[in-house]
Amino acid sequence: AQTVTQSQPEMSVQEAETVTLSCTYDTSENNYYLFWYKQPPSRQMILVIRQEAYKQQNATENRFSVNFQKAAKSFSLKISDSQLGDTAMYFCAFKTTGTASKLTFGTGTRLQVTL
Amino acid sequence: DGGITQSPKYLFRKEGQNVTLSCEQNLNHDAMYWYRQDPGQGLRLIYYSQIVNDFQKGDIAEGYSVSREKKESFPLTVTSAQKNPTAFYLCASSMTRTGFGNEQFFGPGTRLTVL
Repeated sequence: AQTVTQSQPEMSVQEAETVTLSCTYDTSENNYYLFWYKQPPSRQMILVIRQEAYKQQNATENRFSVNFQKAAKSFSLKISDSQLGDTAMYFCAFKTTGTASKLTFGTGTRLQVTL
Repeated sequence: DGGITQSPKYLFRKEGQNVTLSCEQNLNHDAMYWYRQDPGQGLRLIYYSQIVNDFQKGDIAEGYSVSREKKESFPLTVTSAQKNPTAFYLCASSMTRTGFGNEQFFGPGTRLTVL
């Protein structure tokens, strides 16, 4: 079974600064997918960024980028130029490629962006 | 607008009563999912369906039931057998069950409270 661990329950960053959220996972699979989801106070889950395990290049989406270390089973999210609208819960999620694949979520990191 | 709708947004139930949560999508997605979210935990999969008239149990299916009579609809029934039903319930859908291109899109959620 796969597990996803987010060791930072809460984090805070000042507006315009950079913050990194950590995520580690455990799996015996060689090919899989990793995601970061954002859940703002509205509780709507929004996909932020995704990474394919067989791709060495780290994914980037505007101010959001990941540091994917496959050997270390680490998948951190970096948010640059933080904005007040980035305040939210952030969930790391793992998905296998098989027919029985499902999203396995971490427990989340609550990020507060302050002035 | 294409998307996923869940109703109601808030639901109150007395102990011993069954209750049904609605989930509708007009994205023409094949797969649909139900997740439960509790404070301090990530999302946990209750049931999922890849095609009409077919569905599978997720990690925490006990006390829940689903149906998939139409592609657009995937209602979840919380039965009296569910011992701790108070939670936030999220419905999601995706193009196909397998593969990377099947990003899961989430509905706005239903908050169920058992009185």
